[in-house]
Amino acid sequence: AQKITQTQPGMFVQEKEAVTLDCTYDTSDPSYGLFWYKQPSSGEMIFLIYQGSYDQQNATEGRYSLNFQKARKSANLVISASQLGDSAMYFCAMREGRGGNNRLAFGKGNQVVVIP
Amino acid sequence: EPEVTQTPSHQVTQMGQEVILRCVPISNHLYFYWYRQILGQKVEFLVSFYNNEISEKSEIFDDQFSVERPDGSNFTLKIRSTKLEDSAMYFCASSEGMAGRTDTQYFGPGTRLTVL
Repeated sequence: AQKITQTQPGMFVQEKEAVTLDCTYDTSDPSYGLFWYKQPSSGEMIFLIYQGSYDQQNATEGRYSLNFQKARKSANLVISASQLGDSAMYFCAMREGRGGNNRLAFGKGNQVVVIP
Repeated sequence: EPEVTQTPSHQVTQMGQEVILRCVPISNHLYFYWYRQILGQKVEFLVSFYNNEISEKSEIFDDQFSVERPDGSNFTLKIRSTKLEDSAMYFCASSEGMAGRTDTQYFGPGTRLTVL
């Protein structure tokens, strides 16, 4: 069974607009972490933001914020004020357990193209 | 800012040949990982490594694969007899390994392996 689901087709976003990338997850472990990574065309994986299952507040990191809805098992990434450099694949990933030596399970990614 | 480094950036090899992919994790990190991404697909976990031994491996990580930390800084992935289907981007990652905290896995830039 898929642990992370990202089903949106490729998205075109106007520069300076906000974009929301959907991610749903499946786990029975009460302790888990959710991550978003950015993969530009150059190929590297860049960590963006983290949300822990016990965190009371939604995570924010600069222009990135995470809309965490635990009951719905969703962890959507919001990028505000899009920039041309935000054009990339975005991967949602989950780590089950309390960290330290736990594998990440990745979704298939969301393609974002920012247009001027 | 400390980062994970990987060499080479691109490796081309003939089917049946052995390859060694090299990684230098972030210096104070305790957990090391290898992931792979076949072109156009999601990132898949291969193996995690802690305290000089494998902690966990996926079903992909069969007898053709091995990992080693030959000295205090390098972390290597060896593929003994490469197959066409081993062609992929291989990512090394490392994390602090502090249970109960974020324990973000930071990824290197990847090695693109092409098997001919």
